Amino acid sequence: DIVMTQSPDSLAVSLGETATINCKSSHSILYSANNKNYLSWYQQKPGQSPKLLIYWASTRESGVPDRFGGSGAGTDFTLTISSVQAEDVAIYYCQQYYSTSYTFGQGTKLEMK
Amino acid sequence: QITLKESGPTLVKPTQTLTLTCTFSGFSLSTSGVGVGWFRQPPGKAPEWLALIYWDDDIRYSASLRSRLTITKDTSKDQVVLTMTNVDPVDTATYYCAHMPGAPNARGYWFDPWGPGFLVTVSS
Repeated sequence: DIVMTQSPDSLAVSLGETATINCKSSHSILYSANNKNYLSWYQQKPGQSPKLLIYWASTRESGVPDRFGGSGAGTDFTLTISSVQAEDVAIYYCQQYYSTSYTFGQGTKLEMK
Repeated sequence: QITLKESGPTLVKPTQTLTLTCTFSGFSLSTSGVGVGWFRQPPGKAPEWLALIYWDDDIRYSASLRSRLTITKDTSKDQVVLTMTNVDPVDTATYYCAHMPGAPNARGYWFDPWGPGFLVTVSS
């Protein structure tokens, strides 16, 4: 299985600051045939199901605020939340869909400082 | 608008078989490329993928749970059913189903949206 490792495990930021969450895969998830990175990012608030934020590593899902941005390629990826708002408090997960194990990172908990 | 909802027993005894139903609307599981996946999430842990069924009955299972899982679809009822045999207290989790968008002749996409989840407790 492809192992996904996120850092940090938790992150406390002040309102309006930038939050950066990293995700590393144990195997490249870049498919050379189409030059796409098979990585998605989800946000999960307490008591709710995961919500898709980003797919293809950097494509924002419709309706997701543009302060959420994804970047990276191969094995190293980043979710950046610019100007963090109170409603962004949640756990964020990366997930690979390159292999049919659809593995997730362990999650990064974003809190307000 | 695509919606999914999980249903089933909230309490199951060890060694019994768990049957969960995902009822969806807003898409057809006969549309080329589309899939429905099942996940679970123990309290305080990350989601874990369990199984996936595509529009063409192509089925994939988690390697670690393959021997215990069966996924089927009923296109006429817009439902996907997951059964898990020989449950154990470690199978206690919130179970989710989710829609996989797709394209003809393609495999491997993200999951969106997810159902609200259904908590299953395994206990005697």
